[in-house]
Amino acid sequence: DSGVTQTPKHLITATGQRVTLRCSPRSGDLSVYWYQQSLDQGLQFLIQYYNGEERAKGNILERFSAQQFPDLHSELNLSSLELGDSALYFCASSVGGGTSGREQFFGPGTRLTVL
Amino acid sequence: DQQVKQNSPSLSVQEGRISILNCDYTNSMFDYFLWYKKYPAEGPTFLISISSIKDKNEDGRFTVFLNKSAKHLSLHIVPSQPGDSAVYFCAARGAGGSNYQLIWGAGTKLIIKP
Repeated sequence: DSGVTQTPKHLITATGQRVTLRCSPRSGDLSVYWYQQSLDQGLQFLIQYYNGEERAKGNILERFSAQQFPDLHSELNLSSLELGDSALYFCASSVGGGTSGREQFFGPGTRLTVL
Repeated sequence: DQQVKQNSPSLSVQEGRISILNCDYTNSMFDYFLWYKKYPAEGPTFLISISSIKDKNEDGRFTVFLNKSAKHLSLHIVPSQPGDSAVYFCAARGAGGSNYQLIWGAGTKLIIKP
């Protein structure tokens, strides 16, 4: 158990809909990272927040947005969903704002299926 | 543009033998490389890493080798155990402006046969 929690575990929705994925980082971690893993692909970095502020942005679509709240939990909002958005979405957390990767701890992921 | 490539989607190895997982990269600016292990229904967990200024890093049964001239790294697991069956991801960290981003390979599924 990494200490990072993600809800829900599974999500099935229809095209055009909007969903919110939630992540609670490990106690004491200030950074939250969001990744997308499509079928048979590596993880694609989406976005990082550090202590409530956006720190780095990766290949995140304009239809997607995220935020980190004062209690440090984070939400990833996906709107106008398309079939291609079906994927595993991982959240990771770390103590600091930089990354050597070593200190990133991953949650179990949310599997999103868009029908 | 895949900057980190793991060309073998799967690998089957006999228990007790050596497992060698390979990873190639294209960006010479990467300064740090990591291997993660992922079991089904779980998130990836960090396994071992290597800085670009080194060519080898060892941790127990796991050794990572880096060949910068070939832009190639490999993970050796000796001896392989059934619990090593998992998907292994290679990831690279960009230096400078992309410091906070890890670039991931597609993963190699390792199957250890009893």
